[in-house]
Amino acid sequence: EAQVTQNPRYLITVTGKKLTVTCSQNMNHEYMSWYRQDPGLGLRQIYYSMNVEVTDKGDVPEGYKVSRKEKRNFPLILESPSPNQTSLYFCASSFELANTGELFFGEGSRLTVL
Amino acid sequence: GNSVTQMEGPVTLSEEAFLTINCTYTATGYPSLFWYVQYPGEGLQLLLKATKADDKGSNKGFEATYRKETTSFHLEKGSVQVSDSAVYFCALLYNFNKFYFGSGTKLNVKP
Repeated sequence: EAQVTQNPRYLITVTGKKLTVTCSQNMNHEYMSWYRQDPGLGLRQIYYSMNVEVTDKGDVPEGYKVSRKEKRNFPLILESPSPNQTSLYFCASSFELANTGELFFGEGSRLTVL
Repeated sequence: GNSVTQMEGPVTLSEEAFLTINCTYTATGYPSLFWYVQYPGEGLQLLLKATKADDKGSNKGFEATYRKETTSFHLEKGSVQVSDSAVYFCALLYNFNKFYFGSGTKLNVKP
């Protein structure tokens, strides 16, 4: 089944404790991206990647890192989480984004930073 | 900068009512425009799209027309169903790599 898989789905952590949210897609998509969803603000793009080893900042990259060593994986790293990073995070991928504009989303990861 | 503004919800309608959700955008150049839908507990999924001015996107009875003169992309459906209850997001794709989403409009359809 074609899908985007995120882990963990739910996480409660404390300020400053490094964490990684993994994202994997099995559709051979070149484009992958991360978003955070906050009430009243919709989705905001954190980082995106056009292909392996090619990443770039979205609208709200501060406090986050990403890497794209393999085509299928695009982990989101919070080196020193803070309470303002409490949010619902979505990973998404796309094949030929310029032509289709269609993003395939994971189910989301709800992160709470205390 | 680029941005998307859509009407605040929630919008509550009776089944078979007419739906309009307003969306306007600010962008440089010629972005592509989209409506995505999010059902409870799920990620977003593409509902429809339009890639240039005057294009009409349509899917599952929903329609939206790319109006460059008014920088708008309003979502419409002639007769909503209970199963249409969800959160709807207007979005634009800039430079073929950056997405900008609106804040979302929750639709509740009552039987």
